[in-house]
Amino acid sequence: SQTIHQWPATLVQPVGSPLSLECTVEGTSNPNLYWYRQAAGRGLQLLFYSVGIGQISSEVPQNLSASRPQDRQFILSSKKLLLSDSGFYLCAWRRMTQAKNIQYFGAGTRLSVL
Amino acid sequence: QQPVQSPQAVILREGEDAVINCSSSKALYSVHWYRQKHGEAPVFLMILLKGGEQKGHEKISASFNEKKQQSSLYLTASQLSYSGTYFCGTERYGTYKYIFGTGTRLKVLA
Repeated sequence: SQTIHQWPATLVQPVGSPLSLECTVEGTSNPNLYWYRQAAGRGLQLLFYSVGIGQISSEVPQNLSASRPQDRQFILSSKKLLLSDSGFYLCAWRRMTQAKNIQYFGAGTRLSVL
Repeated sequence: QQPVQSPQAVILREGEDAVINCSSSKALYSVHWYRQKHGEAPVFLMILLKGGEQKGHEKISASFNEKKQQSSLYLTASQLSYSGTYFCGTERYGTYKYIFGTGTRLKVLA
């Protein structure tokens, strides 16, 4: 069976510090991978998505970046965090087979920038 | 560009029915529905692939009108466990870009 791991679960960081969130998927190959951010009480904002190793599409350039160094690994980074980066970060994967392109989410990382 | 959901919020008593709508300005390949409990990740409910297709899951069903680019989620005889925020998820033709609607907060009271 497929599983998605996302860590850490909670993170408190000072403004201006770097960020690295990691997401890995097990039990499948060549998944589409996604990063979303959810501000408190708000909807799900697509940040980045990837259809293959080294292929990253950015929806929100700002001060965030994403990388996919391996097939089932997706990393979200920032060199300098802003207060507005606080939120609930969710990694998700999709298996693009016929009629089975359901999106599955990791447990999420709650980031507080102080 | 983000699909618009209506209503934004709804409060029900146990046993009452509700309809949540999702409307897109772009042509859609499929529509998915998710429910998110407070502090948790969204959980998949159902997928609709074809125009006019309807699917059901216990007392929750949905329809997808491909021509109108709209989908509706029907919750009948609501239960306390139905409380949460509902999102439609959509993928546009020719892209792998997957975005969510604006969300509908549903609260079921005893």
